Amino acid sequence: AQSVTQLGSHVSVSEGALVLLRCNYSSSVPPYLFWYVQYPNQGLQLLLKYTTGATLVKGINGFEAEFKKSETSFHLTKPSAHMSDAAEYFCAVSDQDDYKLSFGAGTTVTVRA
Amino acid sequence: SQTIHQWPATLVQPVGSPLSLECTVEGTSNPNLYWYRQAAGRGLQLLFYSVGIGQISSEVPQNLSASRPQDRQFILSSKKLLLSDSGFYLCAWSVGLGDTEAFFGQGTRLTVV
Repeated sequence: AQSVTQLGSHVSVSEGALVLLRCNYSSSVPPYLFWYVQYPNQGLQLLLKYTTGATLVKGINGFEAEFKKSETSFHLTKPSAHMSDAAEYFCAVSDQDDYKLSFGAGTTVTVRA
Repeated sequence: SQTIHQWPATLVQPVGSPLSLECTVEGTSNPNLYWYRQAAGRGLQLLFYSVGIGQISSEVPQNLSASRPQDRQFILSSKKLLLSDSGFYLCAWSVGLGDTEAFFGQGTRLTVV
């Protein structure tokens, strides 16, 4: 069974500042890891995913995440925040032999001008 | 290209009334189908998933049920709604096992009054 913990339900950053969203997972087998973004009253959109290979994964809109097995983490970063980054972000995990995607509680990002 | 349709977008229902939310997928065959619920201030909770027609797995026991009468149709139902059923319901689909992306519908905002 897998689970996801997102540290911090709300993050506020200034425009142009670093965005860092934390995600830790627990899984009995090597996991697949995802970050999704949700804009108000909409569905979720995939930002990036890690399955195998390179542990630093680049996604859309300038986001990237690094899989660290020793820390069971998959933190999401963006060097310079933009106003359009204001949204809710979800970390998710699935197992190799499973159809289920388990989500964290989400982190709401606000960007200050 | 694949698309997912979910309706209605918003719904206000009295306590004790029935519920039927419908989700259809176009452009793919034999998808995995999912129903998630997002309550205010909380993450996404997987309610049901289906890997084939008539195959439904329930993740959380409650007064909701799901059915898959056709390959690309997934229905979420309730005979009698409770106040606690209020939330944002999301349908999603994927193909294959855990390493593939899930694609989400635009969601249904259900308010039980």
